[in-house]
Amino acid sequence: DAKTTQPNSMESNEEEPVHLPCNHSTISGTDYIHWYRQLPSQGPEYVIHGLTSNVNNRMASLAIAEDRKSSTLILHRATLRDAAVYYCILMRAIQGAQKLVFGQGTRLTINP
Amino acid sequence: KAGVTQTPRYLIKTRGQQVTLSCSPISGHRSVSWYQQTPGQGLQFLFEYFSETQRNKGNFPGRFSGRQFSNSRSEMNVSTLELGDSALYLCASRLIWDRGRGEQYFGPGTRLTVT
Repeated sequence: DAKTTQPNSMESNEEEPVHLPCNHSTISGTDYIHWYRQLPSQGPEYVIHGLTSNVNNRMASLAIAEDRKSSTLILHRATLRDAAVYYCILMRAIQGAQKLVFGQGTRLTINP
Repeated sequence: KAGVTQTPRYLIKTRGQQVTLSCSPISGHRSVSWYQQTPGQGLQFLFEYFSETQRNKGNFPGRFSGRQFSNSRSEMNVSTLELGDSALYLCASRLIWDRGRGEQYFGPGTRLTVT
């Protein structure tokens, strides 16, 4: 399974942008980059995913490096509810089957 | 639309017993995956089912098994429980059968404690 590397923890202030980095130097051409987050006492929650181009949705933006060896999840205006563990995952479907291989993730703390 | 539901939410079992956990996916979702979460190992993939067939399997012993029914509901069984099986068991469902684009939707989990 392709491996991702994320900082163990990050801290930011409320209403400021947050940039969460992820390195995935062994990514292959068919791997999608997925981000999930897990709020305290909840199951993981899908945030965003992309393949080659930058992506935006209502929750966040995903910036993917041109060589695809790294990506950054961007929360444009962090709120206290964004405090969670964020996981960067490479998704490769084999014959349609998927599995999420979670690393340790980045624990994001938001200060009021 | 109702989310992924898991029953029971909490369970206490004794070593050596077996346990069955249930997962109902979001309506229309045909794929169900199971994950184990522990403080030491984090989130680990157990298996995925689609069209009542196991499609993918993680690195867990044969004591861990599952099945999927024709209505896409899934059950997970752990036999001969060990203390180390104490964990949060999460179920996730997804809609798209493709090359990795589909997002997974997780349930709240079943907290299993083995004493």
